[in-house]
Amino acid sequence: DAGVIQSPRHEVTEMGQEVTLRCKPISGHDYLFWYRQTMMRGLELLIYFNNNVPIDDSGMPEDRFSAKMPNASFSTLKIQPSEPRDSAVYFCASSQELALADTQYFGPGTRLTVL
Amino acid sequence: GDSVTQMEGPVTLSEEAFLTINCTYTATGYPSLFWYVQYPGEGLQLLLKATKADDKGSNKGFEATYRKETTSFHLEKGSVQVSDSAVYFCALSEGETSGSRLTFGEGTQLTVNP
Repeated sequence: DAGVIQSPRHEVTEMGQEVTLRCKPISGHDYLFWYRQTMMRGLELLIYFNNNVPIDDSGMPEDRFSAKMPNASFSTLKIQPSEPRDSAVYFCASSQELALADTQYFGPGTRLTVL
Repeated sequence: GDSVTQMEGPVTLSEEAFLTINCTYTATGYPSLFWYVQYPGEGLQLLLKATKADDKGSNKGFEATYRKETTSFHLEKGSVQVSDSAVYFCALSEGETSGSRLTFGEGTQLTVNP
């Protein structure tokens, strides 16, 4: 089975530009998570969806960040305008249930560099 | 709020050495505990988990025991291999509604030399 798919794997952009990161979760998984990983702050949960509906976006840093899930097999994380401090690795993960010990399956991540 | 604290890295060992990576947590209820591993250039993968006190999770020679009295979940392996070189994350999830919402530790970089 294919795992979580993310694209692009690497993105280099200039400050002020719009950036869109994409994720395809594992088929049949009802929950999708977006994380950000930096050296300074470690792994942070940005937002998660259940059945395509955003449930908790309290981790989204500011209004420049937005996430959508138009259907069960696709999600986007958009940054507009991007800033150098947004440089990080962004991970998408999915899980089957929101049970206490359910496993999250992570994608390979998108390494974003904002110049 | 919930938090996870891991031992500072990086950790460098020789092949076949014994590994311990310490992890302690703070939680208001009864969390489930996890170890995830991140190999270079990849996403995180679940290594093992434990859902209640005194449970032992194990996988690929790694073990960790859920110790409620010391709020710890230390990762151990008796004999590490070069292929174990990776970043290891301790994590917890808690609450009926938070479910698999995970709180991660800082991660510990392990390098195993031949």
